[in-house]
Amino acid sequence: DADVTQTPRNRITKTGKRIMLECSQTKGHDRMYWYRQDPGLGLRLIYYSFDVKDINKGEISDGYSVSRQAQAKFSLSLESAIPNQTALYFCATGAIMYNEQFFGPGTRLTVL
Amino acid sequence: AQSVAQPEDQVNVAEGNPLTVKCTYSVSGNPYLFWYVQYPNRGLQFLLKYITGDNLVKGSYGFEAEFNKSQTSFHLKKPSALVSDSALYFCAVRVLLSRGSTLGRLYFGRGTQLTVWP
Repeated sequence: DADVTQTPRNRITKTGKRIMLECSQTKGHDRMYWYRQDPGLGLRLIYYSFDVKDINKGEISDGYSVSRQAQAKFSLSLESAIPNQTALYFCATGAIMYNEQFFGPGTRLTVL
Repeated sequence: AQSVAQPEDQVNVAEGNPLTVKCTYSVSGNPYLFWYVQYPNRGLQFLLKYITGDNLVKGSYGFEAEFNKSQTSFHLKKPSALVSDSALYFCAVRVLLSRGSTLGRLYFGRGTQLTVWP
């Protein structure tokens, strides 16, 4: 969905490096989410934010941090990357009604 | 505890035949249910949702889903499959963060890989 963009689209890094994944949206939604996708595990929620001043942990937040710089921007950081953080990462925005979500194209992260 | 189950990792069907991708859920209160599709190297795309009303919900690309409260199921269906329907399909359920709140999050199933062969 072109309304939700993620940068970079692909990233290869080394163990111990700090990495930031960025997400921007033009849908005007207050709610934003970060997920990771691993084969056979579906999508798991890392962090979510219901507005600029609100940050909540999902079920797999260890090793990650986030920053909500503005309504339209939500960044995910890996403070010290490790190989089992190799995954596909998705940002999503959420509509207020019904919690329907709209996804970005994903960032494929490889940690060597 | 709230959860979503997709009992089949893979579904294979011939082009032109009907397809069904299964989903069952467990959630307190009235469920809000969703289906998403993921094509290779793409993000998830919304297909359809059930909020209330008619148990048969119609969505994008000719897909529909049937909500069955007694069986706690929300199976995705299409009368005639196309090769281009081959993708990864996710079922999701909304869970409210607290009773009386309008704030919620989605729980996703593990996904079902649909392959439609010519």
